[in-house]
Amino acid sequence: AQTVTQSQPEMSVQEAETVTLSCTYDTSESDYYLFWYKQPPSRQMILVIRQEAYKQQNATENRFSVNFQKAAKSFSLKISDSQLGDAAMYFCAWGGTSYGKLTFGQGTILTVHP
Amino acid sequence: DAEITQSPRHKITETGRQVTLACHQTWNHNNMFWYRQDLGHGLRLIHYSYGVHDTNKGEVSDGYSVSRSNTEDLPLTLESAASSQTSVYFCASSAPGTGNTGELFFGEGSRLTVL
Repeated sequence: AQTVTQSQPEMSVQEAETVTLSCTYDTSESDYYLFWYKQPPSRQMILVIRQEAYKQQNATENRFSVNFQKAAKSFSLKISDSQLGDAAMYFCAWGGTSYGKLTFGQGTILTVHP
Repeated sequence: DAEITQSPRHKITETGRQVTLACHQTWNHNNMFWYRQDLGHGLRLIHYSYGVHDTNKGEVSDGYSVSRSNTEDLPLTLESAASSQTSVYFCASSAPGTGNTGELFFGEGSRLTVL
């Protein structure tokens, strides 16, 4: 069975600074996806960024980028130029070839200080 | 626009009562999922379905059941609610097949309190 571990229950960052959220996973599969989801206080789950395991290039979406280390089974999220609206719970998730059957980490609460 | 809706958004019930949470999606997705969210555990899979009349157990399925009679709906039933089932429940869907991105589309969640 796959496992996803987020070792940082809480993180904080100053507005306009950069923060990195950590995620490690364990799987025996070679083909899979990795995701970061954001959950603001509204409770809505919002996809932030997605990485296909077969791609060596790290995914980037505007201020959000990942550091994907397949051999180390590590998938960290970097948020640059942090904004107050980035404050939320962030979940790392793993998905195999059974599409949509995602395994989630425990979540990291991100606080952004003005 | 296509969407996925859950009802009710909030519910309080008593121990032992049967509860059904509704989930309806207009994405025309074959895959549908129910997760529960608890602090310290993230989201855990309860049940999932890959099509009409198909249902499968997830990692925390005890005390829950689902049925899939059409593509759009996957209701989640708690046969006899227990306090341990107090949680936030999320329904989600995804599209199968080649070209799929693996992304889940979530409903807004249903907060259930069992007293």
